[in-house]
Amino acid sequence: ETGVTQTPRHLVMGMTNKKSLKCEQHLGHNAMYWYKQSAKKPLELMFVYNFKEQTENNSVPSRFSPECPNSSHLFLHLHTLQPEDSALYLCASSQSLGAGDYEQYFGPGTRLTVT
Amino acid sequence: GQQVMQIPQYQHVQEGEDFTTYCNSSTTLSNIQWYKQRPGGHPVFLIQLVKSGEVKKQKRLTFQFGEAKKNSSLHITATQTTDVGTYFCAGPSGGATNKLIFGTGTLLAVQP
Repeated sequence: ETGVTQTPRHLVMGMTNKKSLKCEQHLGHNAMYWYKQSAKKPLELMFVYNFKEQTENNSVPSRFSPECPNSSHLFLHLHTLQPEDSALYLCASSQSLGAGDYEQYFGPGTRLTVT
Repeated sequence: GQQVMQIPQYQHVQEGEDFTTYCNSSTTLSNIQWYKQRPGGHPVFLIQLVKSGEVKKQKRLTFQFGEAKKNSSLHITATQTTDVGTYFCAGPSGGATNKLIFGTGTLLAVQP
């Protein structure tokens, strides 16, 4: 596999369910990101990880819980979600050095529907 | 906080017409990046501009970075149906983070 992969591609869950989104990058990058994309806010940064350490939490509700076990893998654990959390969740990676100096590579996204 | 705005939000053109989207930042940027997202797809990096007044071309696409490094534009000459999608600009938030602030995006529709 090359680039950035995400699973599952589609997910439907009830408000009481617990599920996890997975992201894996095969680019040797050390920074990984979660974005939320909805009609209201096109690309909304959620979390940033650099060398497995969380460096940014963009005031995300605690029902979203990220996990980065190593520089290649990123998870987003979901629990007690609301219907307004329905959106496309995109994972991205980039080189880590420098402030926004490097392009980001996005995965195909997980289309999440909360019922 | 830092904001990156794009205009227009939506543009519908006939195939063969030109198209331009404009990106404006509330702060000076060290660089500007452009991404394209096809319908049903994910953002894909197109280009990065670093120097004040820089102009770069990719076939029918021309990218420009403003002299003050607060604005940028993407111009497509003679649009084709393959140009359909949303175009985002993005700039660094500054400081020690490598966070990109994405613009609001411009959705381009091309009628054959």
